[in-house]
Amino acid sequence: GAVVSQHPSRVICKSGTSVKIECRSLDFQATTMFWYRQFPKKSLMLMATSNEGSKATYEQGVEKDKFLINHASLTLSTLTVTSAHPEDSSFYICSARSHNEQFFGPGTRLTVL
Amino acid sequence: LAKTTQPISMDSYEGQEVNITCSHNNIATNDYITWYQQFPSQGPRFIIQGYKTKVTNEVASLFIPADRKSSTLSLPRVSLSDTAVYYCLVGDRNYGGSQGNLIFGKGTKLSVKP
Repeated sequence: GAVVSQHPSRVICKSGTSVKIECRSLDFQATTMFWYRQFPKKSLMLMATSNEGSKATYEQGVEKDKFLINHASLTLSTLTVTSAHPEDSSFYICSARSHNEQFFGPGTRLTVL
Repeated sequence: LAKTTQPISMDSYEGQEVNITCSHNNIATNDYITWYQQFPSQGPRFIIQGYKTKVTNEVASLFIPADRKSSTLSLPRVSLSDTAVYYCLVGDRNYGGSQGNLIFGKGTKLSVKP
C-alpha cells in the first residue's frame, strides 16, 4: 500500500515554543490530508482536514490559530503547534487519501515540558 | 454521520478465530464500512473495507448483513501479534473530515493470550 511518513517521530520541547510536524505521502499525491490527535488510551480525534492550496478545515473545538496547518504541495502537509503547553502533549497522526483508501502516518509523539 | 458501537475489549487465545462486531444503526446508503488496526504508538493500519455481504482478503473477513446495521470483522487463527485496538469506521469514502469515514470511535482492544 501507499506510504505516509511523519517527521519527527518524537519531539520534546519547552512550554511556549512552537513545534512543526511534517506529513509526507511518499509514493502518491494527496490533495487531502488529515490531522488527528490521540491522548493515551483514547481514540483518535480528527483535528482538521488539510487541502492542497487552500485553507484547512478545522473540527469544532480545535483552535486554528494554535494548530497551524499548511498543505503547500500534493505530497506535504505540516502541522505547527504554536506556543505549546503541557496540555498539548499528545500523539499526533496524519493521514492521506489515495483513491478510496486512507493511509496513516506512524505518528509523532509530542511532549511539552 | 453514522456512529459506531463496539465492545471495549475482547480476550482470545492463540490459534482461535476472533469475531468483533460493530453496530452502526444509522448507516447511510453511500456509507462504506472500514476496519483499522492500531498498535501502541503507531498509526492505524487499514485492514479491510466493504459495502455489503462478505469481503475477504489475506488477513481478515468482513461480514455485513443485508440491513447493514452491523458488521463483523473476523480474524482467523489469531496470534500474539494480533493484540491491538481495532476500529470500525462508517462513512462515505469519497468525503473527508466530518462527513467521511474518518471519525474514530473508541475501538475494541483485543488481547491475545498464549
